[in-house]
Amino acid sequence: GNSVTQMEGPVTLSEEAFLTINCTYTATGYPSLFWYVQYPGEGLQLLLKATKADDKGSNKGFEATYRKETTSFHLEKGSVQVSDSAVYFCALQTANFGNEKLTFGTGTRLTIIP
Amino acid sequence: ETGVTQSPTHLIKTRGQQVTLRCSSQSGHNTVSWYQQALGQGPQFIFQYYREEENGRGNFPPRFSGLQFPNYSSELNVNALELDDSALYLCASSHSDSYEQYFGPGTRLTVT
Repeated sequence: GNSVTQMEGPVTLSEEAFLTINCTYTATGYPSLFWYVQYPGEGLQLLLKATKADDKGSNKGFEATYRKETTSFHLEKGSVQVSDSAVYFCALQTANFGNEKLTFGTGTRLTIIP
Repeated sequence: ETGVTQSPTHLIKTRGQQVTLRCSSQSGHNTVSWYQQALGQGPQFIFQYYREEENGRGNFPPRFSGLQFPNYSSELNVNALELDDSALYLCASSHSDSYEQYFGPGTRLTVT
């Protein structure tokens, strides 16, 4: 079956530090990959996505590259801000249609210190 | 464009009771998925509704049931509540032509 493994948290960084959150996956077929962010007390927001190998998703300074050879989709940001403090979820979907479930990792809590 | 909305925001129930959670889809979306997010965990897929019929189900018992209405809004019903049902319940809407799911803010259910 499908599964997502994320770097365990919590992760604490100083403002302007470089961020990497590791994500690897196991899937049948050719999944689409996502990063979602959850701010305190809120639902999930789509941060970025990639639908095929070697695609790079990017948004708000965050980037992740779909690496089929290593089955990975690591999230990176060059300079984090306090406002980036949240829980980040890596997820996959095995069909490019809306009627297919998302499989999530357990989440990584990120705290940025001023 | 109106996003996905859920009600109520918070709910406290007693073990053995029944609960109904509601979700309104984003405009133009015809598919609704429900997820359970236990504290400190990632969301787990409960089921999905498309054209008013269940279109896939995760590893949840039959006491978790749902409905989708002609306007694509949806309900999640849970019977015989257990303490472990305490979680954030998330609804996500999408269109069958697209992979992107848009999440609502969730309903926090506490079972005592």
